[in-house]
Amino acid sequence: EPEVTQTPSHQVTQMGQEVILRCVPISNHLYFYWYRQILGQKVEFLVSFYNNEISEKSEIFDDQFSVERPDGSNFTLKIRSTKLEDSAMYFCASSETRSGNTIYFGEGSWLTVV
Amino acid sequence: AQTVTQSQPEMSVQEAETVTLSCTYDTSESDYYLFWYKQPPSRQMILVIRQEAYKQQNATENRFSVNFQKAAKSFSLKISDSQLGDAAMYFCAYRSARSGGSNYKLTFGKGTLLTVNP
Repeated sequence: EPEVTQTPSHQVTQMGQEVILRCVPISNHLYFYWYRQILGQKVEFLVSFYNNEISEKSEIFDDQFSVERPDGSNFTLKIRSTKLEDSAMYFCASSETRSGNTIYFGEGSWLTVV
Repeated sequence: AQTVTQSQPEMSVQEAETVTLSCTYDTSESDYYLFWYKQPPSRQMILVIRQEAYKQQNATENRFSVNFQKAAKSFSLKISDSQLGDAAMYFCAYRSARSGGSNYKLTFGKGTLLTVNP
């Protein structure tokens, strides 16, 4: 069964450093997402991406964050100047075309900022 | 804005028994999708079951079924013949079916932690 893959599974970074989280969405999917889950809290939407541009972003997704689809398969989330409160599980997800209604999640990248 | 409420932070069930997890939501839309996701200790988000709001028939997937009450805006998950592997955090989620706007994101509840006792 096709799946969304994410790397790294776990990353520890120093406060103030830049982090890039990588994702390979399901191959025939056109909509891509990043979600965040701080430990013990609910999953929060960060950003959605379609046709090489952001289609929606939450208030969490400020100038510290950026997304990119550098080639035909990868979808990345960059976090600049990381803060302690950025420590969380980051989920990449994808869905089919406009008529698709199920979002499939990757296994997550656990980011620890120290 | 849509909201999803899971009023049970924790639930427990005996192995082989049946348990029902509650979820209510608030929306002004008539067409939408509802989901239950399972998050085991590995923290992966696994789709359990999906319901289209325009369908009156409740969705079922093997031991998992839902009770979808559109008028009451209620979407509960029933797990039959509970197994130890069902132990996880369960999230209810809403997604609009409306074209354009914010129709592509999921809005999650806070989750219900299910414990299965042997």
